[in-house]
Order: sequence, then structure tokens, then C-alpha cells
Amino acid sequence: IAGITQAPTSQILAAGRRMTLRCTQDMRHNAMYWYRQDLGLGLRLIHYSNTAGTTGKGEVPDGYSVSRANTDDFPLTLASAVPSQTSVYFCASSAGPGQGADTQYFGPGTRLTVL
Amino acid sequence: GQNIDQPTEMTATEGAIVQINCTYQTSGFNGLFWYQQHAGEAPTFLSYNVLDGLEEKGRFSSFLSRSKGYSYLLLKELQMKDSASYLCAVKDSNYQLIWGAGTKLIIKP
Repeated sequence: IAGITQAPTSQILAAGRRMTLRCTQDMRHNAMYWYRQDLGLGLRLIHYSNTAGTTGKGEVPDGYSVSRANTDDFPLTLASAVPSQTSVYFCASSAGPGQGADTQYFGPGTRLTVL
Repeated sequence: GQNIDQPTEMTATEGAIVQINCTYQTSGFNGLFWYQQHAGEAPTFLSYNVLDGLEEKGRFSSFLSRSKGYSYLLLKELQMKDSASYLCAVKDSNYQLIWGAGTKLIIKP
């Protein structure tokens, strides 16, 4: 593994189903993030974690949950998918707040379609 | 509210220079980032400004004026591979990134 990986690459999901998007980083970064990207809109933060064991809500957290059991993994769960959750989901990681520029590095994304 | 504004689309010619502007209004300021995103791919980091002035990195330069809430990304000697979206993002007082919608840059031969 080099950098950040996400799985699956793409998924078509029936409304009402539960889905977990996976994200793993090998850079030993403290902070991790989940964004969604929709056409014509900027990246919107769903949830974040500044360090293992802690999580926080972003701009659009409703319908999503996260956990951060260890440094490397940050799964995003949709408990009961709805069509408005159709989007491209990006996971990102960074060294952590207050650590220089704290540049965020992105995974390749998951394209999710909810029908 | 917090707001990042950048043009939706720009067109330029191969070999030319293009300037992509970004204006922002955020609760606090802890730096401004520019990212490049090719269609269907993830954003990749280009530059970071936290102090006023120009940061040069090869063909790309980024400028910041904190008093004006303004930044620009300057791309020189444009190449076809520079066709992409360019995202402006500001780190606010909570150290969260607020993102603009991106500027789609089209390069014509």
C-alpha cells in the first residue's frame, strides 16, 4: 500500500441498504477526512477524525457515521442509503491540525449510485 | 456564512499564461490551498499560502492577499495536460478546509 486506498472503486446500491466505504492510509497520519463531491459544488466535509479514537461532524453528516479504531482505517457507513447520497466520496488524510501546512492527501474516490 | 468564489470555467491556449482567481470570506484564516483535479481522479496538492505574497513552484505560482481575501493561481507555458479543474480551499478557524466549487480549465491547441 502506498498513500491512501479506498474500496470499492464504484458501487450501485438499492435505496434502504446499508453500505460501508473503506479507507486505509499507510502514511501514519493522525487526521482523516471523508468528503463528498457533487457536480457544481465544492468538496463537502462529512466527518473527520483528528486522531485515532476521536471523530467529529463536518458540514453534511446526516445519514453517515464513522469510526476510527486505529490510525490507518477510517470507514464511512451509510446506515440506510437514499438517492440523494449518490455522489463521489473521497477519503483524505493529513498530519493533523497545527502541524505546519497540514496538507490533505486524497484517496482515489468511490463512485456511489443509490437507486 | 463562509464562501469561496472562483470562476466556473476558463479557456486558454497551449503555451500561454492563465490566471485563476479565488476570493474568500471565512471565519478565520489558517492558510489557502490550491489543488488540481483531472476528470475522474482525486484532487492533488499544488500549493499552500499562509503569508501574503507570491509562491513560485516551477510553471505554477500562487499569490495571496489576506487583507483582500484574494488569491490567484498562475499557470505558465500551458500544456494540454494542464486541462483540469483547479480547486481553491481555505483553512478556517477550526482548521477545517472550506472548498470552492472549482474552475474547469480548458486548454486549446
